Formats: sequence, structure tokens, C-alpha cells
Amino acid sequence: NAGVTQTPKFQVLKTGQSMTLQCAQDMNHEYMSWYRQDPGMGLRLIHYSVGAGITDQGEVPNGYNVSRSTTEDFPLRLLSAAPSQTSVYFCASSYSRGGRPTEAFFGQGTRLTVV
Amino acid sequence: SQQGEEDPQALSIQEGENATMNCSYKTSINNLQWYRQNSGRGLVHLILIRSNEREKHSGRLRVTLDTSKKSSSLLITASRAADTASYFCATRGNNRLAFGKGNQVVVIP
Repeated sequence: NAGVTQTPKFQVLKTGQSMTLQCAQDMNHEYMSWYRQDPGMGLRLIHYSVGAGITDQGEVPNGYNVSRSTTEDFPLRLLSAAPSQTSVYFCASSYSRGGRPTEAFFGQGTRLTVV
Repeated sequence: SQQGEEDPQALSIQEGENATMNCSYKTSINNLQWYRQNSGRGLVHLILIRSNEREKHSGRLRVTLDTSKKSSSLLITASRAADTASYFCATRGNNRLAFGKGNQVVVIP
């Protein structure tokens, strides 16, 4: 199993550009999430999904869209990049036990710089 | 709002010593988890403790949970240089996993 795979690993965008960060998992996990990590802020939840076709907003959703058309994929779209979106982005997935999500498995991250 | 506040934020210890980190949270939880992050890498799950558990062990790790005080502690015994990393607590509630700001631990050989 590859686990959680994020692409690209690094990206530089100009202000106003749009792009999609890809996240794929091959563990058949129901739950998937996107976080951003900024210095001194820990990880903040952007969007999450409890299964294919179901998504919900996290703590900092503005400027980002997600969709979950399959169990495996959970792409994060930046609609119009801003310098404030410069960050390291992590995708994570979790399996269910007893109807509840368990521990999270993380990808290696995407380092995004918006200039 | 962000769950989980770890104390202390940075810790420097000698190899062989124990390292203790604390975490507090604000709302009700299903479970509390601890993760490790090495520089420039993704987070790795260390241990999960359910809301009805008070203590859990895994190798050199010991986690306690006090739901009445909404706090948890992570103890790493007999630390090694390889334990140098950032450690995060995270609380699970309502399908969300919310992270604290993290503790940076440096183990000096």
C-alpha cells in the first residue's frame, strides 16, 4: 500500500492563479481531511469528508473547495490564490471502527508559495 | 476554534531523560491522539486514548487522560536522539480531528 499520496510536493503560484492539490489513498478509508500548517499555528482543518459524496467545512475553509467523487480521491482546489495561502498542506485519511473515525494517516505534504 | 493547547511549547533534554508534554482541550471528545512530526515530514500517529480510558502505554510512551480537567499528558521515557521531533495532541469529536500547536522536543545525545 502506498498510503496517502499528495501531489505536487512543491508549488509556486502567482496571486490570482487557481490550482488543485491532489490527494489519493489506497486504504479504502472513509474519512479524509485537508489541513494547513503554518508556523506557530499547528494544523488547522480546512475541509473534511466522511465518505464519497459528503464534504463539510473545517476551521479555515474560505478560499478552498473540495469534492469527494470517489473513496480514494479528495482534491483541494484553490480558487484564486492569495499570499495568505502560502503554507504547507497535509491530507489525511482515517478508517472507521464502531462507526467512528480512528487515527489519521498523513501524506507527506505540499509546500505552497503564493507570490 | 482550535482544540488542544500543549504545554510546554519547547523542550530540550539529555538523552536518557524522560520528556513530558501536556495538552488541554475545551469541548467533549471521543478520543485524544498524539502525533509526531519530524522536520519537513508528515505527521505519524503515536497513540490513541479513548474518552473512557485514563491511561495507556505503548512501548516507551505513556498517555494519561483526565476528562474532568480536559487535559492529557504524554510521557516519553528514556529518550533517544531519534525522539527529536514536534509532538502534537489532537482531539476527535464530531468526525473532526483538531490539533494543538505542538511541542518541539530536542534530545541532546
